[in-house]
Amino acid sequence: NAGVTQTPKFQVLKTGQSMTLQCAQDMNHNSMYWYRQDPGMGLRLIYYSASEGTTDKGEVPNGYNVSRLNKREFSLRLESAAPSQTSVYFCASSPRRTVTLSGANVLTFGAGSRLTVL
Amino acid sequence: SQQGEEDPQALSIQEGENATMNCSYKTSINNLQWYRQNSGRGLVHLILIRSNEREKHSGRLRVTLDTSKKSSSLLITASRAADTASYFCATDGHTGGFKTIFGAGTRLFVKA
Repeated sequence: NAGVTQTPKFQVLKTGQSMTLQCAQDMNHNSMYWYRQDPGMGLRLIYYSASEGTTDKGEVPNGYNVSRLNKREFSLRLESAAPSQTSVYFCASSPRRTVTLSGANVLTFGAGSRLTVL
Repeated sequence: SQQGEEDPQALSIQEGENATMNCSYKTSINNLQWYRQNSGRGLVHLILIRSNEREKHSGRLRVTLDTSKKSSSLLITASRAADTASYFCATDGHTGGFKTIFGAGTRLFVKA
């Protein structure tokens, strides 16, 4: 099983350029997530999608757009890249589909996409 | 703001020693998770502890949870060089939603 697959693994952009990070999962998970990881900051949630057709903002959504194309795929788009968006981006998925007090939101992560904006 | 904060930020030990990492969080929770991240890789779920549990074991891992102090600890016993990684705690908050929040992590280095 591939799990969560992200592309590309590495990307260098110039300020103002746009790009889309792709993510796909093959575990039939309901919810999907985009995080960014910066040194000393841990992971910060950018956007998430609780189910196909829905998306919601996380902690740091500014400068990003997302699209839940279908149940398997969740893309992250930078319309006009800025140096502050230099980071490692992680896509994740989980079985969770509703707000619930039972169980935990256990995430399966992709390998990450390292983005540098010059 | 981060929900979970790990302590220490970095830890270096000899193979065979025990490693203890701590996590503090700010709001009430239903459960707390620990993840491991090897260098250049994604995070991998290690263990989950629910708010009504005080201690949980999985192999060489022991997790404790003190909800009165809003803190958790991860103990790795008889550490190995392969345990070298960053370790993160994560919480969902008390509303059971989708915003799983991670701490800044503890970098563990196990010397052979």
